[in-house]
Amino acid sequence: DQQVKQNSPSLSVQEGRISILNCDYTNSMFDYFLWYKKYPAEGPTFLISISSIKDKNEDGRFTVFLNKSAKHLSLHIVPSQPGDSAVYFCAAHTFGFGNEKLTFGTGTRLTIIP
Amino acid sequence: DGGITQSPKYLFRKEGQNVTLSCEQNLNHDAMYWYRQDPGQGLRLIYYSQIVNDFQKGDIAEGYSVSREKKESFPLTVTSAQKNPTAFYLCASSPQGFGSYNEQFFGPGTRLTVL
Repeated sequence: DQQVKQNSPSLSVQEGRISILNCDYTNSMFDYFLWYKKYPAEGPTFLISISSIKDKNEDGRFTVFLNKSAKHLSLHIVPSQPGDSAVYFCAAHTFGFGNEKLTFGTGTRLTIIP
Repeated sequence: DGGITQSPKYLFRKEGQNVTLSCEQNLNHDAMYWYRQDPGQGLRLIYYSQIVNDFQKGDIAEGYSVSREKKESFPLTVTSAQKNPTAFYLCASSPQGFGSYNEQFFGPGTRLTVL
C-alpha cells in the first residue's frame, strides 16, 4: 500500500524554465511533508518542507505547495539550473510516540537540458 | 565537521553470509534510521531507534537486525534470512526521536552486493 506516490518517474525541463514535481498521498494523518534531492550513489539531502497547516512554503528558487483537500503537493523550481538534475523524493512525516517516521515516494528523476 | 558516516561504500558478500553495515554520527542526534533503496522504489524503512538501547521495526525488518548501544552508532546486520539483500542501504539521523517534527539527515550510503 503506497501511501506516498510520485506518478512521474522522470521529467525533462529546459534550463531557465520552471520544473514542477508532483506528489500525492493517501494518509490524512501526515503532519509534515518534505522534499529531498538525491544524486547517484549519495544519500538524499533535505531541500524544503511544509507543515500540514500551511499551503505554501518558499526558499529561494524552491517553492512547495500543499493542497490538503486534494491530498497533493508539488515542488516548483524556478529558474531550473543544470545542477538541479537529480532524483527528487517526496516524503511525509507521521507523528506518534514510538511510531514517528518518514514515508517516501518512489522518486522523480529530473533532467535539466542546457 | 559534523555528519553521518557509513562504511564501507561498496560491500560484496557471498550468499548465506551475515554482514554488518556501519553507521556513525557525530551530530549528537537522538534518533537514527536505516533505509533500503531498490531501483525504481522509494526509501523503505528497515529499523529505527529513537533513543539509546531501544529500537523498533520498520516496514521491512525481516532478515535484518540492529543494535543501539551508543548514541552515535547504529549498526545494521543483514542476515542470511534476508531473501534479496542486494540493495543500496542508507542510514539517517534526526535531532529528537520523540515529539516534534525533525528533518532527517542522511549518510552517503552503502551498496551491498550479494554474489
